[in-house]
Amino acid sequence: GDSVTQMEGPVTLSEEAFLTINCTYTATGYPSLFWYVQYPGEGLQLLLKATKADDKGSNKGFEATYRKETTSFHLEKGSVQVSDSAVYFCALSLFDFGNEKLTFGTGTRLTIIP
Amino acid sequence: NAGVMQNPRHLVRRRGQEARLRCSPMKGHSHVYWYRQLPEEGLKFMVYLQKENIIDESGMPKERFSAEFPKEGPSILRIQQVVRGDSAAYFCASSPSDSYEQYFGPGTRLTVT
Repeated sequence: GDSVTQMEGPVTLSEEAFLTINCTYTATGYPSLFWYVQYPGEGLQLLLKATKADDKGSNKGFEATYRKETTSFHLEKGSVQVSDSAVYFCALSLFDFGNEKLTFGTGTRLTIIP
Repeated sequence: NAGVMQNPRHLVRRRGQEARLRCSPMKGHSHVYWYRQLPEEGLKFMVYLQKENIIDESGMPKERFSAEFPKEGPSILRIQQVVRGDSAAYFCASSPSDSYEQYFGPGTRLTVT
C-alpha cells in the first residue's frame, strides 16, 4: 500500500541553523505531495505542496522538491526561527476518485532554541 | 470566512459510554474527512464522506465506529461503548468539490477514563 517515511525526531536546532527533514514515499500511482505543520494544541496547516515530478513547493521560507527518481520530498529551510518550533508531517494523496485520502508520515517534532 | 469547526474541543468519557464528535466544514465545502491521531503518532485516515454518502470508510474500525454527513447540519463521528484505546485526537478536514486541498479543523481530544 501507499506509505510515507519521515525522518525520526525530535530535532533540535539553534536559531538561524539550516533545516532538513527527510521524507520518502511509496505509492502505486503518481501522488501529490504535501508538508503540513502542527503547532501545539492546534490542527494541521498546509505548509506547501507539489503535484508533479520536479515541482518545487515553497512557503514562509520552507521549500521541498518532488523527486520522482528518489521518491523523496525533503523539507528545507535556510535559517530557522524559534517560531518554527512545531511538528511537521509529510503526506501524499493519489487523488483518484474515491481515493482522496491523505496518507501521513509519523511526524517530526522540531524545536528551535534561541 | 470561518474555518473548519469542530466541537467539542475536549471530551471526556467513561468506558462504555458513547462519544459524538461534530465537524462543520468550511462554507462551500461538500467533502469531509475524518482522521485519528494517537499519541506521538501521525494521522490515520478513517472515513471520507460527501453529503449523505460515505465514499471511503476503509480506515474505520469495523465495530463501534460510524460516521454521517447529512444534507443539513454537521458531520458526526460516533463512537459507541468507548474503550481506553479510543483516546486520541480526532481531526476533521474539508475540501470543496472542485479541489482536493484539505483544510483541517482544530481537532477533538477524546479521553476515555
